[in-house]
This record gives sequence, structure tokens and C-alpha cells, in this order.
Amino acid sequence: SQQGEEDPQALSIQEGENATMNCSYKTSINNLQWYRQNSGRGLVHLILIRSNEREKHSGRLRVTLDTSKKSSSLLITASRAADTASYFCATDARRTALIFGKGTTLSVSS
Amino acid sequence: NAGVTQTPKFQVLKTGQSMTLQCAQDMNHNSMYWYRQDPGMGLRLIYYSASEGTTDKGEVPNGYNVSRLNKREFSLRLESAAPSQTSVYFCASSQGGGLNEKLFFGSGTQLSVL
Repeated sequence: SQQGEEDPQALSIQEGENATMNCSYKTSINNLQWYRQNSGRGLVHLILIRSNEREKHSGRLRVTLDTSKKSSSLLITASRAADTASYFCATDARRTALIFGKGTTLSVSS
Repeated sequence: NAGVTQTPKFQVLKTGQSMTLQCAQDMNHNSMYWYRQDPGMGLRLIYYSASEGTTDKGEVPNGYNVSRLNKREFSLRLESAAPSQTSVYFCASSQGGGLNEKLFFGSGTQLSVL
């Protein structure tokens, strides 16, 4: 069964707006990662946050982690059309390989 | 710098046919993975190889076999393809076997089984 579940499944916003997507997981983790997938391409790593971290930034990306609620959020500020993609969270709950969620599809229109 | 290279990019098979998906990485990574991606299902792990000479089952290994030919190459074989194996297949690699490391993905193989 899937470990991470992203929410919402789909999100449509205008350029310049912020986009927030969430990931919930079921069992304890040591770290959580976010990936982006452009249409027809492979996944690209965005950011990794460890279980002892609460927030992490990378450019226009901000990731938070709440281990008590078993959830993480990815915020993309000042979205651009180029941010249109699917976003996946991945956890190490299996302890042997990353397990990915089903993803959030983000559409940014100009 | 090629990264992770998958071949072929597209393939159509008839039920019962066999084929091998090839994957090679040029980053000297120790760990390699095969995932499949289906609409509404996200990515599911088929098999992985934590290091050269070792392979382990993932979430959905039935109907597949793998070979870690050497440190660079990790192939996925469908012995008798079924329509349920229609999917997009992704190969990935990481520096070590640690789960605190990022994965590098290939561009995928779109497989249709008729």
C-alpha cells in the first residue's frame, strides 16, 4: 500500500500565486523527500527534510515536516508556468527503498 | 553527462511475449531501482539493487525478474507479458543504499501490452 498520500490530487492556480500541497504518511520516518515530474519525463529531486527538521527552504520552495501529525507540506511561492508538473513525496518508511505517493498535479496558468 | 539512460523509450508487446528493459547509469552509483507508474497509482517499486551483486523485491515484483549485470547496469525482464503490465517504467539510481539520498531517474519506458 502507498505510504505517502498527497493532497490535493490536482491544483490549478494563476501565475504569481502560491501553491501548497500536502503529504501524509502512516509510519515513522527518518526523512522525507519531494520530487517533481514534468509531463513525459522522469522525476527530479527537489528537497529532502530529515525527521529532526521542521522546515527547509530551497529557492522558492519551502517544505515543512510535522512528525507528530505525520505530514509534510510543500509550498511553491510566486508560481510560474514552468512550475506546472506533478509533485510527489517519498518516504523511507520501508527502510529499504523510497516509497512514493500518488502525487499532486499542479497547473499554473499565465 | 548522461545520468540514467533507459532503453527502449517505447515498446508494444503482445500478451505472452518477453522483453528486457535496459538501464545504465554513469554516476558510479551503488544502488539502482525499478519503478512502474500507473495513472492514479503513483510510483510503485518493483525491484531494487542496493549494491552490485544484490537484488531485492519491492512492492510489486510478480511477473518481473531483474539482473544487476554490473555496477552500471540494471535490467528488468518480463518473461511473459500481460496487459496488466502496461505501464511506464522508470529506472533510478542513488549514490549509496541510504534512504537519505536522492534518486536520479531515467526518462522512462512506455510499455503497452496488447
